[in-house]
Amino acid sequence: QVQLQESGPGLVRPSQTLSLTCTASGASVTRGDYFWSWVRQPAGKGLEWIGRIYTSGSTNYNPSLKSRVTVSLDTSKTQFTLNLSSVTAADTAVYYCARGSVGGYSSHTFDVWGQGKMVTVSS
Amino acid sequence: DILMTQSPSSVSASVGDSVTIRCRASQAIGSWLAWYQQKPGRAPKLLIYSASTLQSGVPSRFSGSGSGTDFTLTISSLQPDDFATYFCQQTYSFPLTFGGGTKVEIK
Repeated sequence: QVQLQESGPGLVRPSQTLSLTCTASGASVTRGDYFWSWVRQPAGKGLEWIGRIYTSGSTNYNPSLKSRVTVSLDTSKTQFTLNLSSVTAADTAVYYCARGSVGGYSSHTFDVWGQGKMVTVSS
Repeated sequence: DILMTQSPSSVSASVGDSVTIRCRASQAIGSWLAWYQQKPGRAPKLLIYSASTLQSGVPSRFSGSGSGTDFTLTISSLQPDDFATYFCQQTYSFPLTFGGGTKVEIK
């Protein structure tokens, strides 16, 4: 059974880069009919999709964040990472990594999620 | 971007009640809609995809319907474990977008 776990700093200074890693246990992020995504949720608010990476390494990003976001696969084959540059207080949120389905009627749904990582942007 | 609008934003109900949550897309998305349940401090959980198909392991008291721009999630005979926030998500096009959420509270 696949499990995801986010890791990284819980506090980031304004204008710096937020970096998070998602570790997949029980799966390789470079194989299968899946993609790997980041979704964030400010406290008490809704969900915002950040971006995704396919097992092939190709990516798609939310246009609202595209100029600041990079999602990449780690050579370990069990991790993928999020880098969000030039952060401000508006980037304070719980960040989730999630597995998305490719193809079929469940395409682009998220069936496995990490527990979430709270990241605060503050000086 | 496709805007997803949920209503109501919150609803109070009792155990055993039936609850219906609505989700409207700003443009037609066919049946490309998913529903998630989220409890406080937890990650969302996929309930329904393709507007009406139950994810494996989800109780049959959950049902979804709709196509085009208007969708509903119905919880029949509400159970204590169902008090949570529910989100819809369009899976039709990028960027993927979610509704603002509907909180189901205990009356």
